[in-house]
Amino acid sequence: AQSVTQPDIHITVSEGASLELRCNYSYGATPYLFWYVQSPGQGLQLLLKYFSGDTLVQGIKGFEAEFKRSQSSFNLRKPSVHWSDAAEYFCAVGALNNAGNMLTFGGGTRLMVKP
Amino acid sequence: NAGVTQTPKFQVLKTGQSMTLQCAQDMNHEYMSWYRQDPGMGLRLIHYSVGAGITDQGEVPNGYNVSRSTTEDFPLRLLSAAPSQTSVYFCASSPRGAYSNQPQHFGDGTRLSIL
Repeated sequence: AQSVTQPDIHITVSEGASLELRCNYSYGATPYLFWYVQSPGQGLQLLLKYFSGDTLVQGIKGFEAEFKRSQSSFNLRKPSVHWSDAAEYFCAVGALNNAGNMLTFGGGTRLMVKP
Repeated sequence: NAGVTQTPKFQVLKTGQSMTLQCAQDMNHEYMSWYRQDPGMGLRLIHYSVGAGITDQGEVPNGYNVSRSTTEDFPLRLLSAAPSQTSVYFCASSPRGAYSNQPQHFGDGTRLSIL
């Protein structure tokens, strides 16, 4: 069974500083990886996804993530954080079971942005 | 664009009561799923459906029932609510499994409290 670990529960960065959110996964085959963002009281919005090909993927809102198979990681990065980026971020791995679609999520990382 | 619509947004129940959380999507998606979100645990899959008339259990199905009589609707039923079911519930849909290029679309969630 697949699993996802987000080691950092909370992260605080200053506005304008760079950001890296960590994600490690466990999966027996080539994973399909996602990053979602959740603003307070809202549902989840897809930031980016990795299916195959280039291991550096670009997403919305200036985010990017790099798939590193050797490290089983899919870390999310942003070069300059904005106050509006404060939210909770979830990494997820997708797997196809006998009948269809299943996402396994990490526990989430809550990002706080200092002015 | 309505997307995935969940009702109600908030609900308070007493232990032992039953209720149905509604989920509807207008994107003609085959796959629909229910997750619960608890602090520090990310989202965990309760039940999912790969099409009308077909449902299956996810990671945490106990205490919940689902049915899929139409493509658009995927209600989640709590037969006898327990305090452990206090959570935020998310419905999601996608046109195909996570192996496709189409990510899951999430509703805004239902916040459920069981007293």
